[in-house]
Amino acid sequence: GQNIDQPTEMTATEGAIVQINCTYQTSGFNGLFWYQQHAGEAPTFLSYNVLDGLEEKGRFSSFLSRSKGYSYLLLKELQMKDSASYLCAVRVRSGGYNKLIFGAGTRLAVHP
Amino acid sequence: DTGVSQNPRHKITKRGQNVTFRCDPISEHNRLYWYRQTLGQGPEFLTYFQNEAQLEKSRLLSDRFSAERPKGSFSTLEIQRTEQGDSAMYLCASSSRTGSSYEQYFGPGTRLTVT
Repeated sequence: GQNIDQPTEMTATEGAIVQINCTYQTSGFNGLFWYQQHAGEAPTFLSYNVLDGLEEKGRFSSFLSRSKGYSYLLLKELQMKDSASYLCAVRVRSGGYNKLIFGAGTRLAVHP
Repeated sequence: DTGVSQNPRHKITKRGQNVTFRCDPISEHNRLYWYRQTLGQGPEFLTYFQNEAQLEKSRLLSDRFSAERPKGSFSTLEIQRTEQGDSAMYLCASSSRTGSSYEQYFGPGTRLTVT
């Protein structure tokens, strides 16, 4: 089966750094995405990794280790507006097509 | 605005009624996806279109659910004989075959409440 695990909730302080981990067991791995979702809104794309290593994009970085089935999202210089759910999603190739399988999301609360 | 749009944004219906949702993807995107999301969970894949062809359907999509994309542009998702368990956010996303990641762009969703 396909399984994606990430912590349910995390809290952090404004200005700090937080790391959100994601582990996955999937077949047909074809890339890993991180999305941000504010309450009641649509998910928005943050990052994409298909090869091992770190991808940096401003205050956000994402890391992938395919051999370990592991990724993390690193958020630096946290701001209050970063309070949201962070969704780890694995793209799998099945039957000739790609589809996304999402984890349940990590709800991040940033405090002053 | 050239993003993905969905209508209606909210729908309250009584159990047993039929409902239909519409999704307008980003105009140049040929791939369209429907997902369902319940509180505290990530989106669950329902179905996928490439142009007008429905290429994959999740086992979550019971025979009460049907989706169409008749001209390869907008799509509709119909739920017949709604049940309380159908209450959820229904998200539509689109993507194109450009770039390396083919990331999906999501619409604002239709929140369905079945009473």
